[in-house]
Amino acid sequence: QKEVEQNSGPLSVPEGAIASLNCTYSDRVSQSFFWYRQYSGKSPELIMSIYSNGDKEDGRFTAQLNKASQYVSLLIRDSQPSDSATYLCAVNQAGTALIFGKGTTLSVSS
Amino acid sequence: EPEVTQTPSHQVTQMGQEVILRCVPISNHLYFYWYRQILGQKVEFLVSFYNNEISEKSEIFDDQFSVERPDGSNFTLKIRSTKLEDSAMYFCASSGTGGTSTEAFFGQGTRLTVV
Repeated sequence: QKEVEQNSGPLSVPEGAIASLNCTYSDRVSQSFFWYRQYSGKSPELIMSIYSNGDKEDGRFTAQLNKASQYVSLLIRDSQPSDSATYLCAVNQAGTALIFGKGTTLSVSS
Repeated sequence: EPEVTQTPSHQVTQMGQEVILRCVPISNHLYFYWYRQILGQKVEFLVSFYNNEISEKSEIFDDQFSVERPDGSNFTLKIRSTKLEDSAMYFCASSGTGGTSTEAFFGQGTRLTVV
């Protein structure tokens, strides 16, 4: 059974702080790793993808991947109240279905 | 910016009735998916579709479910005889040209309520 585990939170950070979201996965042959943001009642919105070990930065977001530890993380710098949402980690092999974690709820207070 | 569109946004149906959920994937995408999310739970995979056939399905996708690409743009999910436990948000997604480009983009969802 392929599993993706996330701490459900809520993770509360003040505005301007760094939010750190973590995810572990069980399937060692996973190749692709994604972070989606989901606002309440809305659909998942892709914010980051990462395919190789190391860091990938896009604006205020940095994804980190460690395949040996089967660990993916997302850092959000200068957190804003509009970042308050549930962040979903998803993994797959090329061309196969995404397996999602339950998500971590982030709350950014102003 | 290209997007996945789904209709209707909300569907209410009586238990035992058939429903068809519709999706228009992003035009140059080749892989199409249906996922569902029961309120308060995680997003669950139902089925993927490639080259006009099912490429993968989950154990949730039993005989009451079917998918079809009736023309060059639409992708549909049919639930033959709805049950109360089918009440959920249903998301259609598509991804691009295959290979390592597996980024999947989701439509806005159809909220299905079975009464």
